[in-house]
Amino acid sequence: RKEVEQDPGPFNVPEGATVAFNCTYSNSASQSFFWYRQDCRKEPKLLMSVYSSGNEDGRFTAQLNRASQYISLLIRDSKLSDSATYLCVVRGYGQNFVFGPGTRLSVLP
Amino acid sequence: EAGVAQSPRYKIIEKRQSVAFWCNPISGHATLYWYQQILGQGPKLLIQFQNNGVVDDSQLPKDRFSAERLKGVDSTLKIQPAKLEDSAVYLCASSSVGGRTGELFFGEGSRLTVL
Repeated sequence: RKEVEQDPGPFNVPEGATVAFNCTYSNSASQSFFWYRQDCRKEPKLLMSVYSSGNEDGRFTAQLNRASQYISLLIRDSKLSDSATYLCVVRGYGQNFVFGPGTRLSVLP
Repeated sequence: EAGVAQSPRYKIIEKRQSVAFWCNPISGHATLYWYQQILGQGPKLLIQFQNNGVVDDSQLPKDRFSAERLKGVDSTLKIQPAKLEDSAVYLCASSSVGGRTGELFFGEGSRLTVL
């Protein structure tokens, strides 16, 4: 089993749609969780950290379920500019950042 | 503030040749990472440095890959001899204080094609 798994995608959604991405991780000792965004042929960039109580940043909402070892990202009112690959990232205490394979999103006009 | 600098941006070589990539992290960042990203996959850690010491190189194919970080600043990653499956983007990233805040800052990457 891979350390971090994500919905395989791609997701093709119309503008204005709500879309959710799921991620599971295998290491129960993982301490920190993040979503990164990677545009085509660009480097990954931090989108948001994920906190146990859940957190929101504008149209983006992240949730963490430690018991199920599950992380989610919800994007509301999708924009064309949201088209990218979304990478789930998990980190254990003192360990490196482990990236999932990514889920590609295409928002269509 | 200057970002993470990498060079070269693109490199095409034949199998069994050697190649070297260079990375200069953000000033003051103690932790430096090299990731390999194969098309369609997420980045995979090759090696992590804390200052000039190696923290994790468990996934570095040591028979062909080597990396060093002299004086705890810039770093080079070398592949010798290259194989077809080494075709990938090599991403360098840096973070401050062991990346405690979770933000890795990536360079634009070095795209390697092995023919």
